[in-house]
Amino acid sequence: KAGVTQTPRYLIKTRGQQVTLSCSPISGHRSVSWYQQTPGQGLQFLFEYFSETQRNKGNFPGRFSGRQFSNSRSEMNVSTLELGDSALYLCASSRDRGNTEAFFGQGTRLTVV
Amino acid sequence: GNSVTQMEGPVTLSEEAFLTINCTYTATGYPSLFWYVQYPGEGLQLLLKATKADDKGSNKGFEATYRKETTSFHLEKGSVQVSDSAVYFCVSGGSNYKLTFGKGTLLTVNP
Repeated sequence: KAGVTQTPRYLIKTRGQQVTLSCSPISGHRSVSWYQQTPGQGLQFLFEYFSETQRNKGNFPGRFSGRQFSNSRSEMNVSTLELGDSALYLCASSRDRGNTEAFFGQGTRLTVV
Repeated sequence: GNSVTQMEGPVTLSEEAFLTINCTYTATGYPSLFWYVQYPGEGLQLLLKATKADDKGSNKGFEATYRKETTSFHLEKGSVQVSDSAVYFCVSGGSNYKLTFGKGTLLTVNP
């Protein structure tokens, strides 16, 4: 069974640009969450989607947004990129909401220059 | 909100040494607790989990027991191998369906 797939694996963008990251969850999983990983802040929760609806949002500015499609695939978008947005962005999928096992993708490494 | 505190690294051990990585949590209610591992260049993998007090999670020789009275979930392994070198994260799952991660502990095992 295929795991969580994130594309692209690496991105280099310039300040002020916008970026879209994609996540395909494990087949049958309906919950997708996004996390930002940086050396200074560690892993921080961005948002959670379930049944095409954002159910939960972390403490990030409105430049960070996302969506989920009917096939459970999810995208996150960051507009007006700042240097501090450079990070590893991880997507996790779960079968349902709740304290069930989350499966993580390998992440998208975003570098803002 | 929930928070997780785990011991700072890095931790360097010789092969076959005993490993303990301490983890404590604060939470409303009784969250599920997890240990995730991140090998170099890879994503996070679930190592073990416990969903209620006194549960013991175990996998690949690693163990952790959910201690409600001390709000702890310490990771242990009796004999580490070089292949165990990775970053280990203690994680709590809250009633708001998000995972709260500790800062991570880098473990290096030398032959």
